[in-house]
Amino acid sequence: EPEVTQTPSHQVTQMGQEVILRCVPISNHLYFYWYRQILGQKVEFLVSFYNNEISEKSEIFDDQFSVERPDGSNFTLKIRSTKLEDSAMYFCASRLGQALNYGYTFGSGTRLTVV
Amino acid sequence: GDSVTQMEGPVTLSEEAFLTINCTYTATGYPSLFWYVQYPGEGLQLLLKATKADDKGSNKGFEATYRKETTSFHLEKGSVQVSDSAVYFCALSGGSYIPTFGRGTSLIVHP
Repeated sequence: EPEVTQTPSHQVTQMGQEVILRCVPISNHLYFYWYRQILGQKVEFLVSFYNNEISEKSEIFDDQFSVERPDGSNFTLKIRSTKLEDSAMYFCASRLGQALNYGYTFGSGTRLTVV
Repeated sequence: GDSVTQMEGPVTLSEEAFLTINCTYTATGYPSLFWYVQYPGEGLQLLLKATKADDKGSNKGFEATYRKETTSFHLEKGSVQVSDSAVYFCALSGGSYIPTFGRGTSLIVHP
C-alpha cells in the first residue's frame, strides 16, 4: 500500500538553528499538509499546500515557517530559527482530492527536539 | 471554532475487555467525524468515519455512531486485543475540509 514517508524520524537541534523536515507524499496525491503535536496536546493543523502554493494556514504557521515542493516528489517544512516551543512531533499528510470522501494518508512523523 | 474533546488516557484494559473511548465535538453545520489510530512507530491511519447524523462507522471490530443530539462520536469495541494497543484520535472535518483533531487517547491492552 502506498505510504507517506517522512525523514528523519527524530531530529535534535539547537535553539536558533534552521531545520528542514522532509516528506515524500503519495505520488498521485495533489493536496499536502503539515500538522504538529506537542507532547500531550492536540494534533494541530499548520498548513495545506496545493498547486505549488499554500492554500490554507493556521495562526501557528508564522514567518518562521515555510513549505516547499522543490521537485515532483518532496514536500518540505522549514523552520528558520527554532525555538524550544517548536519541539513536537510533525506529521505530513497527503490526499488525492479535497472532498470529504478523500482520505488522508499520514506519515509516521518526525520528532523534533529543540535544546 | 471547531473543536474535539477526547477522554484522557491512558486507558488500560485486559484482553477481551469492552472498550469505550469518549469523543465530543463542537462545530457549526454538519461535519464529518473520524477516528484515526496510530500504532507505535507508524503514521495516523483512518480507522472509521461517519458523514451524517445516526451513521455508524465500523472497521476491524471498532464502531462509532454519529450522535448529533449529544454531539458525540464515541469509539467502542466489544473485545480488545493486545494488538489494539495504540493511540486513538477523534477528528472532525467541516466546511474547510481541514480535519480538527483531539489530543489522542492511548490504549494499552494487557494479555
